Amino acid sequence: AQSVTQPDIHITVSEGASLELRCNYSYGATPYLFWYVQSPGQGLQLLLKYFSGDTLVQGIKGFEAEFKRSQSSFNLRKPSVHWSDAAEYFCAVVGKGATNKLIFGTGTLLAVQP
Amino acid sequence: EAQVTQNPRYLITVTGKKLTVTCSQNMNHEYMSWYRQDPGLGLRQIYYSMNVEVTDKGDVPEGYKVSRKEKRNFPLILESPSPNQTSLYFCASGRTGGGEKLFFGSGTQLSVL
Repeated sequence: AQSVTQPDIHITVSEGASLELRCNYSYGATPYLFWYVQSPGQGLQLLLKYFSGDTLVQGIKGFEAEFKRSQSSFNLRKPSVHWSDAAEYFCAVVGKGATNKLIFGTGTLLAVQP
Repeated sequence: EAQVTQNPRYLITVTGKKLTVTCSQNMNHEYMSWYRQDPGLGLRQIYYSMNVEVTDKGDVPEGYKVSRKEKRNFPLILESPSPNQTSLYFCASGRTGGGEKLFFGSGTQLSVL
């Protein structure tokens, strides 16, 4: 069955430090891959997506993610975290032939300390 | 402004009292979907609709109903709510499906006593 794993439930980083949020997926073929961010009291906002081509994708707010087929991973990175990045981050996948069904991971809650 | 509007933002009700959560989008999207978010479980799809009059079950449809009579609206109906439906609910819309960018509403926090 398709699944998405975000192994880190909660991460705390210092402002200005680098960030990497992990995401692993289980799927029969390479799916479409997404990262969404949920700020407190808000709905989800798309940060970036990977469909095909260059495995390093750039998103909004200075985020990037790298697709590694051999590891079935799509980790999210940011070189320097800002206090406003504190939020919950969700990795999601959808099958290329089943775009009605977006599967989310359980989320990683990011705290940023001064 | 492109948006997905959900109402109400907060709702407290009692077991068995029918309720409807409304969802409306102004982007002429064909695809709409409902999710519930629970701690430690992420977002799980309840129902989705690929177009007007076309709806289908997601992963956790039990206890919910939906309708899609017009493209812009996709209400979520709980005919007889139970405490295990206490959750944070999100409506989302997209041009053609989950493979496109989804736009999310701000959520409805439902408590069933």
